[in-house]
Amino acid sequence: NAGVTQTPKFRILKIGQSMTLQCTQDMNHNYMYWYRQDPGMGLKLIYYSVGAGITDKGEVPNGYNVSRSTTEDFPLRLELAAPSQTSVYFCASSPLGQGSTGELFFGEGSRLTVL
Amino acid sequence: LAKTTQPISMDSYEGQEVNITCSHNNIATNDYITWYQQFPSQGPRFIIQGYKTKVTNEVASLFIPADRKSSTLSLPRVSLSDTAVYYCLVVLMDTGRRALTFGSGTRLQVQP
Repeated sequence: NAGVTQTPKFRILKIGQSMTLQCTQDMNHNYMYWYRQDPGMGLKLIYYSVGAGITDKGEVPNGYNVSRSTTEDFPLRLELAAPSQTSVYFCASSPLGQGSTGELFFGEGSRLTVL
Repeated sequence: LAKTTQPISMDSYEGQEVNITCSHNNIATNDYITWYQQFPSQGPRFIIQGYKTKVTNEVASLFIPADRKSSTLSLPRVSLSDTAVYYCLVVLMDTGRRALTFGSGTRLQVQP
């Protein structure tokens, strides 16, 4: 099992550009999450999904979009990148509601810089 | 979702026991308490989860009083490698949409 895989690991964007952060998991988890973490701060929930075709906003959804067409994939799209979106982005999955403890499994993170 | 409050930072020395307390005053009946550890440049890692009384695993112990309005993560005999940020989360275990939000966490610094 690869677990949760995020790509790319690093990316530099210019203001106004768009990009997609990819996240895939091979654990057949229903729940998937996107968080951002600014330097020295805690994690903020951007979007989450409880299964294919279902997504919900988290604490800081503005400037982002997500889709969940399959159980495995949960891409995060940044439209019109702004310097305020410079952050480390973490994707996570969880077997919540599948008879488990609900542990979150995180990817290694994607470090994004917007200049 | 129950909001959580933790100390911002704690200092300790190698070999000491460290106790980090989390307050979750409005925890609901079906909520579980979960703790995560995060090292710099890494995603958080699950440490322990509990519902009531005491839970122990190879890494830590979790103490939850009868009213469940707080919980204490206990790390026995810490080492330098335990320097990290520790987060507590309250998780509703029933099915249904759940936005798992992290608090600010507790930054633990272990000195030699």
